[in-house]
Formats: sequence, C-alpha cells, structure tokens
Amino acid sequence: DSGVTQTPKHLITATGQRVTLRCSPRSGDLSVYWYQQSLDQGLQFLIQYYNGEERAKGNILERFSAQQFPDLHSELNLSSLELGDSALYFCASSGPYGTGDVNYGYTFGSGTRLTVV
Amino acid sequence: LAKTTQPISMDSYEGQEVNITCSHNNIATNDYITWYQQFPSQGPRFIIQGYKTKVTNEVASLFIPADRKSSTLSLPRVSLSDTAVYYCLVVTGGGNKLTFGTGTQLKVEL
Repeated sequence: DSGVTQTPKHLITATGQRVTLRCSPRSGDLSVYWYQQSLDQGLQFLIQYYNGEERAKGNILERFSAQQFPDLHSELNLSSLELGDSALYFCASSGPYGTGDVNYGYTFGSGTRLTVV
Repeated sequence: LAKTTQPISMDSYEGQEVNITCSHNNIATNDYITWYQQFPSQGPRFIIQGYKTKVTNEVASLFIPADRKSSTLSLPRVSLSDTAVYYCLVVTGGGNKLTFGTGTQLKVEL
C-alpha cells in the first residue's frame, strides 16, 4: 500500500457518460497530480493541485476537470466520454512542501482503469 | 525542461548487474534526477533520486558525473521480478510535475 488511495479500481461506462475518479493523497502530502496512461500515449500529465489550488496544467481536455477539497482529497471528472478516453488514470501525491522527498519521491496510487464502451 | 534519452529496451539474466544510462544534456542547476519503476497496470514506484555524485539505497545506486549531463541507474543482481519499465526523469526543485518519457523496458530472464 503506497498510501495514495484511488477509487474505484475499475470503471466501465458508455460513451457520452460522465464519471468521477477519486484520490486520497498520502497523509501529510499537499500536492496531488493526475496522470493518464494509455497504450499509445504513455504516462501523460493532466493536472496538479497544491493545497486546494490548481498549480499546473498539462494535456487535460476541456471535457475533463479536477478539484482538490479542503481535506486534500482530489476528484477528476471526465465527461462526454469517448472510446479514446479508455485508459489507466493515476493519481500521485508529493510532500508537504509540494516536492518529492529524497527517500520516497512522489507516491503513486494503483490507478483507476476506465473502459468506455 | 530537460529532455531525457534512455534506451528503449534492455535484456539481462538473473543475478547480473544492470546499468541503465540516461542522458539529460540540458539539465539546469536546480534540477535533480529521479528514477521510477513501473510494472504493468500499476502506478510508477520511486526507486532513487540524486543531484550529483553517487547515491545508494537498498535497491539501487545512482551515478551522476560531475557535468550532470547523464546518469546511470545500477541494479545489482537482478531477478525476474525486476522485469519492468524504468523511467529516468529530471525534476525542477519546487514541486513541479513529473514528465515521463518512454522509459526503458528491462526484461530479465533465467
């Protein structure tokens, strides 16, 4: 158990639907990062939050949005889903100062596998 | 952001030492080097991190020459369970995102 919890582990939904992925960071971590990993694209950075505020944006589609709540958990909302959105979605968290720790770096969760049919 | 280049794949046998070299010619002064391991359908796992010279932990060593334009991850006595993708990343201090490349697929055989 890495300390980063992602739910659900698996999600199957139809095109056009909307889903929410949830991430609880490691205790004490203030930064949360979302990544998408598909077979043909590798690990793509989507978005970062630090203590509730958006800090960096990557290749995140307009149909996708995220937020980080006061208790520091984060949610990634994916809407108007398309077949191409099928992927593994990972959440990672990093240290209290938003930096990777020299001993354990950034901690990733086990991911949510999204299948759009 | 410094771009990294590493071999696409490597093969080894159990009990061998494996060295994976990564080049990062444009590394900046406040950047550090970090390596992650990823098994299929699992999240990347931190292996080791360093700024210069040599860093060693219980699973690997990281060698960084003085010019810091490259780094080498050394895995001593690999086993079948070390078969995975290994990513070399350059990270700017201050809590920035990790940018993953294609990584090195290491295959360990008997």
